[in-house]
Amino acid sequence: NAGVTQTPKFQVLKTGQSMTLQCAQDMNHNSMYWYRQDPGMGLRLIYYSASEGTTDKGEVPNGYNVSRLNKREFSLRLESAAPSQTSVYFCASAEGGSSIGYTFGSGTRLTVV
Amino acid sequence: RKEVEQDPGPFNVPEGATVAFNCTYSNSASQSFFWYRQDCRKEPKLLMSVYSSGNEDGRFTAQLNRASQYISLLIRDSKLSDSATYLCVVNILTGGGNKLTFGTGTQLKVEL
Repeated sequence: NAGVTQTPKFQVLKTGQSMTLQCAQDMNHNSMYWYRQDPGMGLRLIYYSASEGTTDKGEVPNGYNVSRLNKREFSLRLESAAPSQTSVYFCASAEGGSSIGYTFGSGTRLTVV
Repeated sequence: RKEVEQDPGPFNVPEGATVAFNCTYSNSASQSFFWYRQDCRKEPKLLMSVYSSGNEDGRFTAQLNRASQYISLLIRDSKLSDSATYLCVVNILTGGGNKLTFGTGTQLKVEL
C-alpha cells in the first residue's frame, strides 16, 4: 500500500544513547516533516524538508538532527537521548501545494529512561 | 497565545446528536485549512479541507470565516465510530515552504 512508512514502531532508550528514526514515502512527494506529539501539547514540528536537498528547523529542533537522504527518505536522529524526548514521533509527507494536506506515518513511540 | 486554539473537550454526546467544534487561528497569513481526525494511539488522518464558501462531506460540514479567523466542524447524526480527537489545522506558506500548524485537538465521545 502506498504511504509513509516509519521504523521502528516502538523504542526504549537509556539517557545518552543515540538512535535514528527512519521514514520513507512512496508517493513521490516533495516535502517531508517530522513532528512530535505530547499530551496536551498537540503536534509540534521538529524539522522539515521542503524538497530533496533542503532541511529547515521547525518549532522544537533542539536535540535533533535530520537527513533528507533522497526524495523518498527523511531520517531523524537523536544524538544523546534525554527523558524530555519521550514522545510519539510522526513523519509526514506532502506534495508541496498549500491546499494539500499531509499523509502521516503510523508513528514511533519512544521512551527514554 | 497558541497559533491554533481549540476547546479540548471531551464532548460526550449520544448517538444521533449533532455536535459542533470550533477553532481559532492567530496568523492572518494562513492560507489553507483542514480538519484531521486522530484515533487513540494512531496517526492523524485528513478528514476534510475547509473552504471559504463552506463545504460538506456527508454528515460533516466545515466552515471558515477569514475575517474572524475562525473555523468550525459540524457533525450531524453522530455515530459511535465518530469517537476520536478532531484536530484543527492551518497551513502557512513561508520562505521554507508550506507548514501545517496543529491545534491540540477536541476529543469526541459518542455514546449509546
